[in-house]
Amino acid sequence: ETGVTQSPTHLIKTRGQQVTLRCSSQSGHNTVSWYQQALGQGPQFIFQYYREEENGRGNFPPRFSGLQFPNYSSELNVNALELDDSALYLCASSLGLGTQYFGPGTRLTVL
Amino acid sequence: QQQVKQSPQSLIVQKGGISIINCAYENTAFDYFPWYQQFPGKGPALLIAIRPDVSEKKEGRFTISFNKSAKQFSLHIMDSQPGDSATYFCAASNSSNYQLIWGAGTKLIIKP
Repeated sequence: ETGVTQSPTHLIKTRGQQVTLRCSSQSGHNTVSWYQQALGQGPQFIFQYYREEENGRGNFPPRFSGLQFPNYSSELNVNALELDDSALYLCASSLGLGTQYFGPGTRLTVL
Repeated sequence: QQQVKQSPQSLIVQKGGISIINCAYENTAFDYFPWYQQFPGKGPALLIAIRPDVSEKKEGRFTISFNKSAKQFSLHIMDSQPGDSATYFCAASNSSNYQLIWGAGTKLIIKP
């Protein structure tokens, strides 16, 4: 059984660019949740996908968007990057709406 | 009403001692309270979780105490070890969606 994997590990972008982050959920899991963790802070809920449908969204602007694919992997897209988007982006998978298991995260730096 | 407040921000405990981290929540709709451990450069790992139908849950050296009337819960780490040095986060959610609201974290250092 493989755990949650995320790619890339690190990413550097400039302000105004667009970025796509990827997450492969743990085997058998059909729900993915994305969180943003700024340095020294707790994670903030971005959105959740359950069986390919968005199932809730936190207080993030529309330039944060996502997708879940039929194999339950997921993408997080951020358009028009801002300096404050620099953070660790965490993906968590679960079986249904249950206990979440996290990947190692993608460290995004916006210059 | 969505906040989860965590204290202390940092904690230093001698090896073998008891580490205690506290959290308070506001939203009475929350009914799932996990604790996560995070090492530098890693994602959070689930330690232990509790639901409001019990006041205490123990797994090995880790215990959650839950006070529903006070809307508070705490993590106790017994016989703390240097390997426990990490950042600990409490979180809360409604079990209808498990969209976690997190505390700000506690950086725990266990001195040998």
